[in-house]
Parts: sequence; structure tokens; C-alpha cells
Amino acid sequence: DIVMTQSPDSLAVSLGERATINCKSSQSVLSRSNNKNYLAWYQQKPGQPPVLLIYWASTRESGVPDRFSGSGSGTDFTLTISSLQAEDVAVYYCQHYYDTPLTFGGGTKVEIK
Amino acid sequence: EVQLVESGGGLVQPGGSLRLSCAASGFTFSDHYMDWVRQAPGKGLEWVGRTRNKGYTTKYAASVKGRFTISRDDSNNLLYLQVNSLKTEDTAVYYCARGEGSSGVFDIWGQGTMVTVAS
Repeated sequence: DIVMTQSPDSLAVSLGERATINCKSSQSVLSRSNNKNYLAWYQQKPGQPPVLLIYWASTRESGVPDRFSGSGSGTDFTLTISSLQAEDVAVYYCQHYYDTPLTFGGGTKVEIK
Repeated sequence: EVQLVESGGGLVQPGGSLRLSCAASGFTFSDHYMDWVRQAPGKGLEWVGRTRNKGYTTKYAASVKGRFTISRDDSNNLLYLQVNSLKTEDTAVYYCARGEGSSGVFDIWGQGTMVTVAS
């Protein structure tokens, strides 16, 4: 099984500042057949289900603000919030969908400093 | 409006069973993979299993294989999760989620249904 490891577990960022979350997979999630990384990012606010932010490692889901961006390839990935807004307080999860079992990172809690 | 609505959760004793349902609307249900994901209280997300479209093959997490069964009724846009031999560690919110067409990522989630396993 592919193990997804996120860091940090939590971070506090001032409003308008950049937040960076890292995700590492135990094996590559880059497909040689289509050159795509099978990596997604989700946002979960308290008491709500997760919401898809990013897929194929860097493609923003429709309606997601452009302050959210994803990068990386192979085994190392990053979610960046370029200018943190109050509504971005949440837990963020990475997930691979390279093969089953699908697995999630442990989550990163983002708060306002 | 694209929507998933789960039901069927509740309090059950260890060793008991439940059948969770997920009603889909607003999209062509039969075109999509459908998954179950759970979240224990205060914990992260755990994939439970998937049913594919057009063939209905299913895959499960090792933690539930042999105890949980996923099925779907494409005529009525329903997804099911039969949970048997429940353990206290199965206590969680159970979400159904739609697999996006080309990638299988979870682009639509239900609000979840709570399953509590306790004596």
C-alpha cells in the first residue's frame, strides 16, 4: 500500500501570508502511461465533508480560488495557499488515487496566527 | 443540483450489522465509480471501498474486507454499504463520494452518516 505522509501536522499563518503544506508518498504516483500524477488535495472544515481542491497534483477543481495551487511530481507534492483568508481555516488532506487501496495523508490543520 | 445523501447510521452493539444507503441525484449515477470513506471522531479520512461502474467490480480496504459489502442499484441511483461483524473501531462518520469520470477522485461528497459501535 502507498503511505501518504503530510507535514506539518498543523501551522498558523497570518492573514494574507503564504501557507505551504507538504505531502510525500511512499512510492511514485506518476503514471508512465499518461505522465500524470495521481494526487489530489481536499479541504475539510469542521462538521463538513471534504471538498476537492486539486487533482492531477496541480489542476484546480472548478470554483476553487486561484490562491490555492498544487505542485510536485513523483513522490513529493505541495499545496500552497498564496494569501491566507479567514475562510481557509480547515484541515487539508492529500490523497493518492494511483491504485487501490486509495490512501490519505494524516491531515494538516491550518489556523490563523 | 448534484447531491449525495447518506442514511442508515446509528448505534449498534459490537458484532452487529447495519446497512447504509446513499441516494444520488443530479447526475448520471451509472457513469461513475462510487466510494465509501469513513472518518473516526477527531481522526483523518480512511477509504473503505469502491464500486466501479459498468461491471460493478468492488475493491475494499484490508481493514473491512470480508465484513463490509458495497453494492449499487443503478436503476434507482442508490449506493449501499452493508457492514457486518462491527467492531468498536468501526465507529465513524461514513461518507459516500462520487468518483470523477476520468480520474476517480472524489469530486462530490455526501454529508455523512454516523455509525457508533458500543455496548
